[in-house]
Amino acid sequence: QLQLQESGPGLVKPWETLSLTCSVSGGSIITSDYYWGWIRQPPGKGLEWIAIIYYTGNAYQNPSLKSRVTISADTSKNKFSLRLNSVTAADTAVYYCARVGLAAADIHAAFDIWGPGTLVTVSS
Amino acid sequence: QSALTQPPSASGSPGQSVTISCTGTSSDIGRFNYVSWYRQYPGKAPKLIIYEVTKRPSGVPDRFSGSKSGNTASLTVSGLQAEDEADYYCSSYAGNNIRVFGTGTTVTVL
Repeated sequence: QLQLQESGPGLVKPWETLSLTCSVSGGSIITSDYYWGWIRQPPGKGLEWIAIIYYTGNAYQNPSLKSRVTISADTSKNKFSLRLNSVTAADTAVYYCARVGLAAADIHAAFDIWGPGTLVTVSS
Repeated sequence: QSALTQPPSASGSPGQSVTISCTGTSSDIGRFNYVSWYRQYPGKAPKLIIYEVTKRPSGVPDRFSGSKSGNTASLTVSGLQAEDEADYYCSSYAGNNIRVFGTGTTVTVL
């Protein structure tokens, strides 16, 4: 059974870089059928899509965050990561990693498996 | 890419039906049949309940159904149960590998 788990610092100072990792177990990120992505949710607010990546490294970001976001994949460790630079209080949120199906997948174009999420607070 | 628009709240009595709308544009919902819906309990990760507008993942009861007309998608929960009280989010593919979420709707079971 595929499981995703986010990890990283829970507190980041303003204007520094937020770094998170999503560890995937019970399956490989090397698959032609899925992207791997990040979504965030500020406290009391809605979901915001951040970015997705294919195991080959092809990546796509939310245009509103693109200048600050880097997403990468480490196939040797079966993980993928998010870096968000120059953070402010507005970046305080629960960050989720999730799997997104491609056309060949049983579930296409939807986030079908999610990690439990990790709260990142931006504060000095 | 702007968030899809959902009503902030919806409610119904046990056994009744509630329908949640999700309004986008001709560049997302109106163009692609890749609308998905998620249920989220407080403090928990979202769970996929509808994908490709109308399809249900294995294990999701058929009380949940989806539809689309023009730039608006809808989720209907029939036979409301206490466990359906949660936040619901829609999402759509918007081309060029871009995804967008809705603003979210809190469903209350009266």
